[in-house]
Amino acid sequence: SQQGEEDPQALSIQEGENATMNCSYKTSINNLQWYRQNSGRGLVHLILIRSNEREKHSGRLRVTLDTSKKSSSLLITASRAADTASYFCATDAETGANNLFFGTGTRLTVIP
Amino acid sequence: DAGVIQSPRHEVTEMGQEVTLRCKPISGHNSLFWYRQTMMRGLELLIYFNNNVPIDDSGMPEDRFSAKMPNASFSTLKIQPSEPRDSAVYFCASSPTRGGTGGQPQHFGDGTRLSIL
Repeated sequence: SQQGEEDPQALSIQEGENATMNCSYKTSINNLQWYRQNSGRGLVHLILIRSNEREKHSGRLRVTLDTSKKSSSLLITASRAADTASYFCATDAETGANNLFFGTGTRLTVIP
Repeated sequence: DAGVIQSPRHEVTEMGQEVTLRCKPISGHNSLFWYRQTMMRGLELLIYFNNNVPIDDSGMPEDRFSAKMPNASFSTLKIQPSEPRDSAVYFCASSPTRGGTGGQPQHFGDGTRLSIL
């Protein structure tokens, strides 16, 4: 299966701390995306990083990609209670198909 | 702009009944995806369409599941007959068609929480 795996499965931090989540995948990719899911809601796209990029920033989010290790990390700096959610990585199929393969998710809890 | 709209938000029905889930994708998006999410199995892709044509239905669990996209603004996922193990949250997502090696974000609806008694 091409499905990725996030690590850790669950993470609990204090507000203001940084949160780091990792994603590993199995096959070659063109792009990797990160999504957030709040309880009872659909997934929301956060950021996309292409296979020829190593790092990307968006506000308090920093994503890195290491294609040699088939891994990515999502860093949320200065976390807020509103960041409490599940975070998923998703990889595309290098074959050119339009579907994504989602990981198992990290449940982040930010304690106020 | 309206996002992806799914209906109903919640459905509770008895096993054996037919269930129809509905999705309206974002206008202009050419790709539509149906997912199922459970605690045990996570997020599973059931089927996806490009330009209203089913491309990959290998994730459809069995013949009890069927999906249609009669036009660019509407899709249905039907389960007949339903079983308790079909209980899950079903999501619809849409995206613009992928171009070259450029990935496209998927836009998700808020899902239908389905409970089969």
